[in-house]
Amino acid sequence: AQKVTQAQTEISVVEKEDVTLDCVYETRDTTYYLFWYKQPPSGELVFLIRRNSFDEQNEISGRYSWNFQKSTSSFNFTITASQVVDSAVYFCALSDSSGGGADGLTFGKGTHLIIQP
Amino acid sequence: SQTIHQWPATLVQPVGSPLSLECTVEGTSNPNLYWYRQAAGRGLQLLFYSVGIGQISSEVPQNLSASRPQDRQFILSSKKLLLSDSGFYLCAWRLGGWSSYNEQFFGPGTRLTVL
Repeated sequence: AQKVTQAQTEISVVEKEDVTLDCVYETRDTTYYLFWYKQPPSGELVFLIRRNSFDEQNEISGRYSWNFQKSTSSFNFTITASQVVDSAVYFCALSDSSGGGADGLTFGKGTHLIIQP
Repeated sequence: SQTIHQWPATLVQPVGSPLSLECTVEGTSNPNLYWYRQAAGRGLQLLFYSVGIGQISSEVPQNLSASRPQDRQFILSSKKLLLSDSGFYLCAWRLGGWSSYNEQFFGPGTRLTVL
């Protein structure tokens, strides 16, 4: 069975600080996909990134960066120089298939990030 | 570009009443479609998914059902709502078939309160 653990329920930092959101996953599949989503107060889930299990390259997109380490089954998300607009609930998710079948996402419980001005 | 719509945005229903939530996708064909529920204080739970018209798979036994009458239309229904059905319902789509571009895109959601 798949499992995604986001141990940090809530993080509060002051604006401009760097912050890292942790994500640890469990799966028996050799091919799988990891995702991060942002849920602002409006409620809609916004897709941020997908990472395939066979691609361990880290990725940077502006102030966002992701560190994927298969050896520790982790896919952590770092926001550099945080801003108030980054305040949201962030979800890490796992899918074990790229096919057209039972590939619903398994979500972690989310980390509520609060950026204080 | 693709867009996904859900309605209604909010709904307050009495226990025992029926439910119908609708989701439509524009700008793509033969998508995979999904219904998730986010209960208060809990994570997101997959309820149903569909890979084509009339094809519905259920992940969680409950008093809810889903239907896909058209390629880009996904409906979530119930004959009699329970208090435990309260939550935030999200519809999502992704490209159909085998693809490594399998990220799901979510609609704005429906906030359902059962009283």
